[in-house]
Amino acid sequence: AQTVTQSQPEMSVQEAETVTLSCTYDTSENNYYLFWYKQPPSRQMILVIRQEAYKQQNATENRFSVNFQKAAKSFSLKISDSQLGDTAMYFCAFVNYGGSQGNLIFGKGTKLSVKP
Amino acid sequence: NAGVTQTPKFRVLKTGQSMTLLCAQDMNHEYMYWYRQDPGMGLRLIHYSVGEGTTAKGEVPDGYNVSRLKKQNFLLGLESAAPSQTSVYFCASSRVAGWTDTQYFGPGTRLTVL
Repeated sequence: AQTVTQSQPEMSVQEAETVTLSCTYDTSENNYYLFWYKQPPSRQMILVIRQEAYKQQNATENRFSVNFQKAAKSFSLKISDSQLGDTAMYFCAFVNYGGSQGNLIFGKGTKLSVKP
Repeated sequence: NAGVTQTPKFRVLKTGQSMTLLCAQDMNHEYMYWYRQDPGMGLRLIHYSVGEGTTAKGEVPDGYNVSRLKKQNFLLGLESAAPSQTSVYFCASSRVAGWTDTQYFGPGTRLTVL
């Protein structure tokens, strides 16, 4: 079965500090894409960052970066210089390349609170 | 450029009633998706479409029907609502297949079935 596990249901961080959200996944496929989505109180799902499994270099987007460990099937998200607007639910997800559908497999999410 | 929009934002139904959720995208995307999100869980795919006039079942299709008569619109129907369908529903779209491209999500519809 393909699964995504986010072991931290809730986390908090002080404004301007750095926080890392964990994600592990399980798939028998070799080619896939990994994503982190942010869901603020408005409920809209917003793409934060994505990583192609065939790329060894970790993806970065401004204050957001990932630590992708393919052998360990780990895909953590690091948020640097945390801002109040980063408060949200964060979902890790992956999709297999070449499958019959674009079925994103989501984790249950981590609720991040950034405190002033 | 509004992206992905959903109507309505909220709805309360009685058991057995029917309704249709509308998703619209203005990005000329080929692929569109309907997900549901239940408390404490990630999103699960209900149905998806790979182009105008096509639909396919996802992970949890029972109790739902969909139609994609126009490329920009993807409708999700509940013929006879049940309390188990109380959830938040998200629509998404992508330029090409979801495994090679980012899916863009709408703001969601909160549905309560009494």
